[in-house]
Amino acid sequence: QVQLQESGPGLVKPSETLSLTCTVSNGSISSYYWSWIRQPPGKGLDWIGYVYYSGSTTYNPSLKSRVTISVDTSKNQFSLKLSSVTAADTAVYYCARTRSGYRNLYYMDVWGKGTTVTVSS
Amino acid sequence: EIVLTQSPGTLSLSPGERAILSCRASQSVSSNYLAWYQQKPGQAPRLLIYGASSRATGIPDRFSGSGSGTDFTLTISRLEPEDFAVYYCQQYAGSLGYTFGLGTKLEIK
Repeated sequence: QVQLQESGPGLVKPSETLSLTCTVSNGSISSYYWSWIRQPPGKGLDWIGYVYYSGSTTYNPSLKSRVTISVDTSKNQFSLKLSSVTAADTAVYYCARTRSGYRNLYYMDVWGKGTTVTVSS
Repeated sequence: EIVLTQSPGTLSLSPGERAILSCRASQSVSSNYLAWYQQKPGQAPRLLIYGASSRATGIPDRFSGSGSGTDFTLTISRLEPEDFAVYYCQQYAGSLGYTFGLGTKLEIK
């Protein structure tokens, strides 16, 4: 079955850009939406945004000015870039397959295990 | 912006008891837009319920979802030891994307 794996630096300096990649295995990235979600330590889930396999995107309005999500179908990967990070961006970052409008249903059915990103100098 | 309020914040029950978790939306939400997730410590969330009442693949039938409009409920009929976790509801908000409730922690009494 489909598996997702996040990868990227675990430590990012303040004001720099956080970059993560999610690799999709045992399945195709085509015909789905792909989300990034984060969870600050001890807190709840915060949806960052998603990309459709065609490249179209939707972002959380609260992060929109700093977020870019892109897809590389040739590598079966999608990526997150979050600019001008601060300590408030320290979190576990998850990628997830998203059913957005499939049979008029909306949910995230396959998740990666998550990767911890700490923003600190 | 639609806000999801989950209650209670913490629920203390014993194995074998029934758990009823609430998710209330600040405005009416289509049932198709409502999902529930379970998260255990150190793990990613797992989809339990989508479309307010449909169980995801592999989810035991002791988990059930119900509700419409602004009030949704996740019921666990008889708690098993592995059910103690944090539960989140989620809704789809169109061009604003997805939002989650703050979660209910289900703990062993």
